Amino acid sequence: GAGVSQSPSNKVTEKGKDVELRCDPISGHTALYWYRQSLGQGLEFLIYFQGNSAPDKSGLPSDRFSAERTGGSVSTLTIQRTQQEDSAVYLCASSRNTEAFFGQGTRLTVV
Amino acid sequence: KQEVTQIPAALSVPEGENLVLNCSFTDSAIYNLQWFRQDPGKGLTSLLLIQSSQREQTSGRLNASLDKSSGRSTLYIAASQPGDSATYLCAVRVSGGSNYKLTFGKGTLLTVNP
Repeated sequence: GAGVSQSPSNKVTEKGKDVELRCDPISGHTALYWYRQSLGQGLEFLIYFQGNSAPDKSGLPSDRFSAERTGGSVSTLTIQRTQQEDSAVYLCASSRNTEAFFGQGTRLTVV
Repeated sequence: KQEVTQIPAALSVPEGENLVLNCSFTDSAIYNLQWFRQDPGKGLTSLLLIQSSQREQTSGRLNASLDKSSGRSTLYIAASQPGDSATYLCAVRVSGGSNYKLTFGKGTLLTVNP
């Protein structure tokens, strides 16, 4: 595609439910990143993929968070048993290890 | 641990003014540095990318410089316009190994008043 695509753009979920966020990177981009941006805060690194492997998952805040990437393309970030503090914008980016391009983000609200 | 600081946190200027946004980083072993803008409720738009071997990059009214040894980068915006109002983010990518994550500053919120 022309850019990084994320879905859904908005997600409202009840506390305790699981959610899946999807990222479609730019075709041919081997690196994929997930970041989280909470209200009024900076961008918090979550996880980095190179191909299908994740050499750096140091930013995942708890074991409720997991991510996978298949076929060197689409990535899914899963949050289990969501909590109100998980409410944030989740941003995905892809690159060929040079310039990074971001999607429009998924705004997650846990009620 | 790489830390990125952006000064000022917020800036308000009249239309037409030239302005400079500052970014500093603690570890000079960077692979590259990238400037982004973020409009409210939107994702990040890449503005300029500077490789570690480069000193500056220009795109239209924007000019970014990089001084690796002192751990600094500046984003110069000429003849500012109200449409330039946004949050500007600086990010560095570390070099070496398999860790190529971007580390971001907290941004500078720019308001250009007509």
